[in-house]
Amino acid sequence: SQQGEEDPQALSIQEGENATMNCSYKTSINNLQWYRQNSGRGLVHLILIRSNEREKHSGRLRVTLDTSKKSSSLLITASRAADTASYFCAAGVAGTYKYIFGTGTRLKVLA
Amino acid sequence: NAGVTQTPKFQVLKTGQSMTLQCAQDMNHNSMYWYRQDPGMGLRLIYYSASEGTTDKGEVPNGYNVSRLNKREFSLRLESAAPSQTSVYFCASSTGVDYEQYFGPGTRLTVT
Repeated sequence: SQQGEEDPQALSIQEGENATMNCSYKTSINNLQWYRQNSGRGLVHLILIRSNEREKHSGRLRVTLDTSKKSSSLLITASRAADTASYFCAAGVAGTYKYIFGTGTRLKVLA
Repeated sequence: NAGVTQTPKFQVLKTGQSMTLQCAQDMNHNSMYWYRQDPGMGLRLIYYSASEGTTDKGEVPNGYNVSRLNKREFSLRLESAAPSQTSVYFCASSTGVDYEQYFGPGTRLTVT
């Protein structure tokens, strides 16, 4: 399977703490995207980082990309109970329109 | 502006039955995708359509067919359903490569 891997599989933190999740993939990529999914509903796009970028910020989100290690990380700062969800990375396979999703990290933020 | 819509929301099939899952987007996107999500797992790409008139296989195409009816609509057909196709199916659309995907709410399919 080409499916990417994420770690940790599950993460439980207190409100106000930072949450970091990591993604590894196996192919060359156009871009790497992060999505959030609440309770089996549709995915919501969070942030996209292109293969020639190393770091990107959006509000409380910070994403890094290391193409030499085929890995990315998502940092959520000052987490809130509303951030409780599953988070998935999606690697855009270079030269194609295909995306390979990671297995996801289940984040629980305790109020 | 409804975004990406999928019908039906829920479906139960018996083994061997056929059905078509419908997907439509109103964002004038070029690319459309079909994924399946099994419990505790990420999404796996079944088929995609980079632009109107083209379709290509993804990671898990066996047992499925697709039709890009026009720019707005992309349907997924199960010709002879099997219990292994029990899953949640998501449709997504995008402007193209290097752009975010917008997802529909999903179809929960159970094959008995």
